[in-house]
Amino acid sequence: DIQMTQSPSSLSASVGDRVTITCRPSQSMSASLNWFQQRPGKAPKLLIYDASTLQSGVPSRFSGSGSGTDFTLTISSLQPEDFATYYCQQRDNFGGGTTVEIK
Amino acid sequence: QVQLVQSGPEVKKPGASVRVSCKTSGFTFTNFGISWVRQAPGQGLEWMGWISGYNSKTTYKEKFQDRITLTTDTSTTTVYMELRSLTSDDTAMYYCARDIRSWTEDHWGQGTLVTVSS
Repeated sequence: DIQMTQSPSSLSASVGDRVTITCRPSQSMSASLNWFQQRPGKAPKLLIYDASTLQSGVPSRFSGSGSGTDFTLTISSLQPEDFATYYCQQRDNFGGGTTVEIK
Repeated sequence: QVQLVQSGPEVKKPGASVRVSCKTSGFTFTNFGISWVRQAPGQGLEWMGWISGYNSKTTYKEKFQDRITLTTDTSTTTVYMELRSLTSDDTAMYYCARDIRSWTEDHWGQGTLVTVSS
């Protein structure tokens, strides 16, 4: 099974901060790398697919990059509604999640 | 608008089976697949399986292969997930989600809590 390693597992940040989350698959796959946001008690929301394509309706402060075994989700200026848990996904594998908390 | 509405919470005893429904609307059912993802309390996301709305072809995660069945009813655009031989480890929120392409879920149901307890 492919392992998806996300780091950090949690972070504390302030409104306006730039935040970067990393996802490293254990091996390179020819499949879309997706990023999801999940707020407490809610279903996940697709933010980015194909590593860098912004899903319709998602604010442009979210961006994704990377290839192979090294991917990044960046939030350029953290907003209050961005405090949530973020997951990467490739095929049938999800990362363990990164919780973004208020500093 | 695209909607996936799941059935209500379930409480089951160990060894039992559960069937969760996912009623879809707002899109052409036969043009998309539906995935199922679960989340144990306080834990991360776990992909379980996928079914085509076009021909009901299925793909299951190996760990669930022997006890999961996904089916569709195209007349009601509803997808069903049955999980058998339940244990307490199956206590989780179960989500259905529409795939806009392979392995990419863009719209999600509200989730169905399945509790397995004696």
